[in-house]
Amino acid sequence: EVQLVESGGGLVQPGGSLRLSCAASGFAFSTYWMHWVRQDAGKGLVWVSFISGDGSATNYADSAKGRFTISRDNAKNTLYLQMNSLRVEDTAVYFCARDKNWLPDYWGQGTLVTVSS
Amino acid sequence: DIQMTQSPSSLSASVGDRVTITCRASQGSRNDLGWYQQKPGKAPKRLIYDATSLQSGVPSRFSGSGSGTEFTLTISSLQPEDFATYYCVQHNSYLWTFGQGTKVEIK
Repeated sequence: EVQLVESGGGLVQPGGSLRLSCAASGFAFSTYWMHWVRQDAGKGLVWVSFISGDGSATNYADSAKGRFTISRDNAKNTLYLQMNSLRVEDTAVYFCARDKNWLPDYWGQGTLVTVSS
Repeated sequence: DIQMTQSPSSLSASVGDRVTITCRASQGSRNDLGWYQQKPGKAPKRLIYDATSLQSGVPSRFSGSGSGTEFTLTISSLQPEDFATYYCVQHNSYLWTFGQGTKVEIK
């Protein structure tokens, strides 16, 4: 069974940093692209970043470029999102998702990031 | 970047109704288009990929159609468990864009 479990969310002050993790199991993690997607409270889904299976290719939404870094450790079956220079508007639930057929298929349950002073 | 315009933003329907949701892309591209269902407090669930392919395990009352710039999700006979929010997402040039969502409510 495919499982994705996010962790690392919490309360951080504006300008601070946070690293999200996504532990994957039930599939050959290193062979799949992965995504981070965010959802503001009561709002829609917003794609944040993707990474290829071997980590050689990444891309970011404009809102994340220069501040967030996606990475993965295939030996640990874990996806990461390093979030720096956090802003109040980064407050959201962050989901990790596996990619299949060029689109997210399985999703984790999300981790809440709150940026507030 | 491609913009996805999803309509309607909400709709009220009864059990047994046929429901149609549309996503329009600001420019034509590949058919890397998916549809997702999300219930409150839960993760999204993929229903359709490649614009028309039904995800394994998803009931056949869900179907996708379209190509180029206009895509449609149809629920042929709405069931009580289908009341949720639906999103489209399209991939183009290693960027993914979601529609704004359609909330399907009970009439």
